[in-house]
Amino acid sequence: AQTVTQSQPEMSVQEAETVTLSCTYDTSESDYYLFWYKQPPSRQMILVIRQEAYKQQNATENRFSVNFQKAAKSFSLKISDSQLGDAAMYFCAYRSGDYGGSQGNLIFGKGTKLSVKP
Amino acid sequence: DSGVTQTPKHLITATGQRVTLRCSPRSGDLSVYWYQQSLDQGLQFLIQYYNGEERAKGNILERFSAQQFPDLHSELNLSSLELGDSALYFCASSTGLAADTQYFGPGTRLTVL
Repeated sequence: AQTVTQSQPEMSVQEAETVTLSCTYDTSESDYYLFWYKQPPSRQMILVIRQEAYKQQNATENRFSVNFQKAAKSFSLKISDSQLGDAAMYFCAYRSGDYGGSQGNLIFGKGTKLSVKP
Repeated sequence: DSGVTQTPKHLITATGQRVTLRCSPRSGDLSVYWYQQSLDQGLQFLIQYYNGEERAKGNILERFSAQQFPDLHSELNLSSLELGDSALYFCASSTGLAADTQYFGPGTRLTVL
């Protein structure tokens, strides 16, 4: 079974600085997708970024980028120029790319709580 | 706003009772997923429907059931409620089955007293 591990329960960053959140996963599959979701105090789950395992190029969305290391099964999220609105729980998630018989659901890590200091 | 709606936002009930949570997916989305978020278990997948048919099951209790209707909205039924069922229940939707991003609704906060 696939697992997702986020080893940093809490992180803190100064406004305008850069922070990196860590995520590792375990799978025997070769085709899969990885995601970072943000959950602010409102509790809404917001997609931050998505990475296809078959793509070597790291995904980027504005100030958010990932460092995807497939061999190491690592998928970290870098937030540049941190803003107060970035304060939230961040969840790393895995989804199988095989729809032959497996599920299309997301498998989540336990999350990292990010605080942004003004 | 993700386009996924969930009602009600909050629900307070007593042990032993039954409740129904409702979800309307984004326009055009055929897949609906239900997740439970609790302090103990984190975010866990419960069940998935695709175009009215059950597609996959996760850690869903026998006391819980779901269905997806012809208009594609979905309902999650929770019965014989226990204190431990108190959680945030999310619905997510995606276009189909393959390689689609899931978009989450705002969730229903269930409190069992």
